[in-house]
Amino acid sequence: NAGVTQTPKFQVLKTGQSMTLQCAQDMNHEYMSWYRQDPGMGLRLIHYSVGAGITDQGEVPNGYNVSRSTTEDFPLRLLSAAPSQTSVYFCASSYSSGRDEQFFGPGTRLTVL
Amino acid sequence: AQSVSQHNHHVILSEAASLELGCNYSYGGTVNLFWYVQYPGQHLQLLLKYFSGDPLVKGIKGFEAEFIKSKFSFNLRKPSVQWSDTAEYFCAGNNAGNMLTFGGGTRLMVKP
Repeated sequence: NAGVTQTPKFQVLKTGQSMTLQCAQDMNHEYMSWYRQDPGMGLRLIHYSVGAGITDQGEVPNGYNVSRSTTEDFPLRLLSAAPSQTSVYFCASSYSSGRDEQFFGPGTRLTVL
Repeated sequence: AQSVSQHNHHVILSEAASLELGCNYSYGGTVNLFWYVQYPGQHLQLLLKYFSGDPLVKGIKGFEAEFIKSKFSFNLRKPSVQWSDTAEYFCAGNNAGNMLTFGGGTRLMVKP
């Protein structure tokens, strides 16, 4: 199993550009989520999904969109990039949102100029 | 708001020293608590978790954590650290199926 995969690993954008961060998992997990990691702030939840066709906002959703058309894929879209979105982005998946371990992808390091 | 807090942002230890990293949570009721570790250049992985039963939880690589309900704490411990334990450690928690909330992380550096 590949686990959770993310592409790209690195990305540089100019302010105002849009892009999609890809996330896929092959463990048949229902629950998927996107986090951003900033120094001293830990991981903050952006959006999450409890199954195909169902998404909801997390702690810091502004400026991001998600969709979940299949169990495997959960892309994160930046609509109009801003320097405040410079961060490392992690995708995670698990069987549920309760007691189960979340499996994390390798991360995408995004810089917005 | 429900939260998880880690008080030590940076810890520097020599090899063989004992480690204790603090974690406090603010959830009421039944709580699920986790410690994740991020080694340099790697993604987060689970060290251990607690949701019920014995409050002393043992994880991988010799780590353990103790759930103390009266103190709302879930501190991570290791009796003797190694250079390879250099990493960032995150405490996380949730309850009633709600979203996982992470603490701010603790960067541990172990000097050989």
